[in-house]
Amino acid sequence: EPEVTQTPSHQVTQMGQEVILRCVPISNHLYFYWYRQILGQKVEFLVSFYNNEISEKSEIFDDQFSVERPDGSNFTLKIRSTKLEDSAMYFCASTLTQGANYGYTFGSGTRLTVV
Amino acid sequence: AQSVTQPDIHITVSEGASLELRCNYSYGATPYLFWYVQSPGQGLQLLLKYFSGDTLVQGIKGFEAEFKRSQSSFNLRKPSVHWSDAAEYFCAVGGNTDKLIFGTGTRLQVFP
Repeated sequence: EPEVTQTPSHQVTQMGQEVILRCVPISNHLYFYWYRQILGQKVEFLVSFYNNEISEKSEIFDDQFSVERPDGSNFTLKIRSTKLEDSAMYFCASTLTQGANYGYTFGSGTRLTVV
Repeated sequence: AQSVTQPDIHITVSEGASLELRCNYSYGATPYLFWYVQSPGQGLQLLLKYFSGDTLVQGIKGFEAEFKRSQSSFNLRKPSVHWSDAAEYFCAVGGNTDKLIFGTGTRLQVFP
């Protein structure tokens, strides 16, 4: 069964450093998403991406965050200057069509720890 | 406001017992409803989904859920729990927009 692959599984970074979280969506999917889950809290939407541009973003997704599909297979989330409160599990997801109709395929997540 | 409430943070059941995890939602349009399961260190796996039609939905691993519009609920059930069902369960709602809205999750513990 096709999978969404995320790397690394765990990343530790110092406050103020830049981090890039990587995802390989399912190959024929067209819509890509990042969600995050702060420990003990709910999974929250960050951003959706289609046709090489952001289609929707949440209030969390401020200027410190950016997304990119650099080479047609990877989908990355960059945090420019990490803060302690960015520590969370970050999930990438992809769908073939827009919206929640078919459910998302999620990756196994990257646990980001900012120290 | 759009939201999902899972009132039970933690549930403990004995193996072989029946299970019901509660989910209530608030959504302005026709909701698409989902249950996901997350095992430790794993991603979010889709258990089942409801879009329309029969309000009783069957999913993987022997789970089912019933959509009750009058109660704004989408409770997850399983008649006989297995030890491998121990995990975190998330209810989510979405629509013809991009994002899913998740509940805070229910952690299921199964005793032998």
